[in-house]
Parts: sequence; structure tokens; C-alpha cells
Amino acid sequence: GAVVSQHPSRVICKSGTSVKIECRSLDFQATTMFWYRQFPKQSLMLMATSNEGSKATYEQGVEKDKFLINHASLTLSTLTVTSAHPEDSSFYICSARPRDRGNHEQYFGPGTRLTVT
Amino acid sequence: AQSVTQLGSHVSVSEGALVLLRCNYSSSVPPYLFWYVQYPNQGLQLLLKYTSAATLVKGINGFEAEFKKSETSFHLTKPSAHMSDAAEYFCAVSRVDSSYKLIFGSGTRLLVRP
Repeated sequence: GAVVSQHPSRVICKSGTSVKIECRSLDFQATTMFWYRQFPKQSLMLMATSNEGSKATYEQGVEKDKFLINHASLTLSTLTVTSAHPEDSSFYICSARPRDRGNHEQYFGPGTRLTVT
Repeated sequence: AQSVTQLGSHVSVSEGALVLLRCNYSSSVPPYLFWYVQYPNQGLQLLLKYTSAATLVKGINGFEAEFKKSETSFHLTKPSAHMSDAAEYFCAVSRVDSSYKLIFGSGTRLLVRP
């Protein structure tokens, strides 16, 4: 149990276009989903916290107009990178916190490799 | 403020040798602590977690960690390394507020020599 999927696993897009990444909790409902960015050989950097039915909260320094997050249901959150540039190329990982659990545990998706050319 | 420090960006051991990955935390209240493993181009998999129950926590794949409040440490160990253990390991602490955000250490890459 507690499986999180991401789609797509890899995407290549041209500079100036937008890309949407989906994060789904497959066998549980997620009150909260988190979006991280990871640069090569580095740790995870939290970008934003997404709560179902409400606006996402962004970490300091993350452009909310560039990284649009929607959490429309208890099993789906999406991250849209708008007007992508090469510096947005990175590994994006989501995680989901199960509803009705108080142990602070998060389950991570497999990640999405974004390359902007 | 809470923080996590992982000593050693790279640790190299021989197959069959003891694995010790170090993690020290800073927290004003009893923390929730986690160890995650990441294989190349993959997400994170939970190895084990400390949630204020037993101080010695057993996880998957033969890993365990001991919570030592006096040393503010949560080091990860495995008695005998296997080639398949080669990966990146992250220690994390959960924020004490209601945000449930995780604060990650910088990671330690484990190399296993045949």
C-alpha cells in the first residue's frame, strides 16, 4: 500500500512552453501533497505544499506564477511549469501524506525528469 | 529551528562490512526522524522512522537506527553491506508545527566495493 505515481517520468520540452506533471496517490487519500525539486547530486528542496481544495503555499524564493500547483482531489496534485527555461531543468519529486495518519509519514513518487531545451 | 546534518557526503565500504551513516539533528522538541534511500533516477523509499516509541528502530533491508537524545543523533547501520545497498541515503526530520514538512539532510552516497 501507500503508492504514489508521477506522470510523466521524463519530459523534454522547448524553452517557452509549459509542462504539467501529475502526482497521484493510488491507494490512499492524501490530505497534503508536497512538491520537491532536486538538482544533480543534491538534496531535495521543498518547493510548495499542496492541500486539497485550497491554494498551495510556496517556500521562500519559489515563484508561484511560474510553478502552478493544483490539488483538485484527495488523490491528485499537478505541478505546471509555465514558460519553461533551461534553468528549470531538474528532477521534480512529489510526496503525499495520507489522510487520517498522525505519524508525519510521507510517501514519495518516482520523480519526473524535466529537460528544457 | 530544526535542522539535520549528515556527516560524510560519501561513504565507501566493502561488501559484507558494517555500514554506518551518520545523522545529527537539531530540534527543540522530540522529533520525528526518518531515513530514506534513493536509487538513481528514482524517488525516495522510506527505510525506517522514529516516532518516539522504541529508540532502536528496525527498518527494511536489514537497516536499523538508534535514536540517542543525549547525542542528538539518529545514525543508520547495517551489519553487512550488500552491493544492492549502493544508493543515496537521506536523513530527515519532520517539522514540529502542523505543516508536516520534512527537512532533509544533504545526503550520503554509499558505495559498496566488491
